[in-house]
Amino acid sequence: NAGVTQTPKFQVLKTGQSMTLQCAQDMNHNSMYWYRQDPGMGLRLIYYSASEGTTDKGEVPNGYNVSRLNKREFSLRLESAAPSQTSVYFCASSDTAMNTEAFFGQGTRLTVV
Amino acid sequence: AQSVTQLDSQVPVFEEAPVELRCNYSSSVSVYLFWYVQYPNQGLQLLLKYLSGSTLVESINGFEAEFNKSQTSFHLRKPSVHISDTAEYFCAVRALRGSARQLTFGSGTQLTVLP
Repeated sequence: NAGVTQTPKFQVLKTGQSMTLQCAQDMNHNSMYWYRQDPGMGLRLIYYSASEGTTDKGEVPNGYNVSRLNKREFSLRLESAAPSQTSVYFCASSDTAMNTEAFFGQGTRLTVV
Repeated sequence: AQSVTQLDSQVPVFEEAPVELRCNYSSSVSVYLFWYVQYPNQGLQLLLKYLSGSTLVESINGFEAEFNKSQTSFHLRKPSVHISDTAEYFCAVRALRGSARQLTFGSGTQLTVLP
């Protein structure tokens, strides 16, 4: 069972470079999320998509854009990477019902130098 | 908006000893509560959740958490820990009403079980 798949697992960027983090889920979930994880700060929501065709800002959206390509896929783009975006990025998905948990990918460790 | 406070960033404990990881939340509406576990270099996995009903919920690997509405707490406990329980634990809440369906996480507690 694949669940939530993120690519790549590791990435090093130079300041100013752009890249897209890919995420796909095979659980037919309506909602998808992008979080970043930094030491001592837990997980902070960057963007989420409650359903196909909609996206909304989370707690820390600056410097990022997202695309909900279809029900399965939700990508995160860094247009001009900055060292402050060095982090571990997690994609997650959940059913629409509020009482269901989110399922997480394995994470992408991004370093911006 | 809701917030989650995990009072201890690191908890070292000896094997077979009991442990409690503390979680307090703040919300203007009722919430669902979750504990997630993250093993090294992995994503988060659901450990247990409180939705309604009995305030004591249990996981399959011996953890339990009790919802205390008056104290707005959802502390995680295990009577006897194993080396394999070493991981980071995150408390999370989701509001029952409002526009946001996302989870709000605490800052995490690193549990280290010592031999």
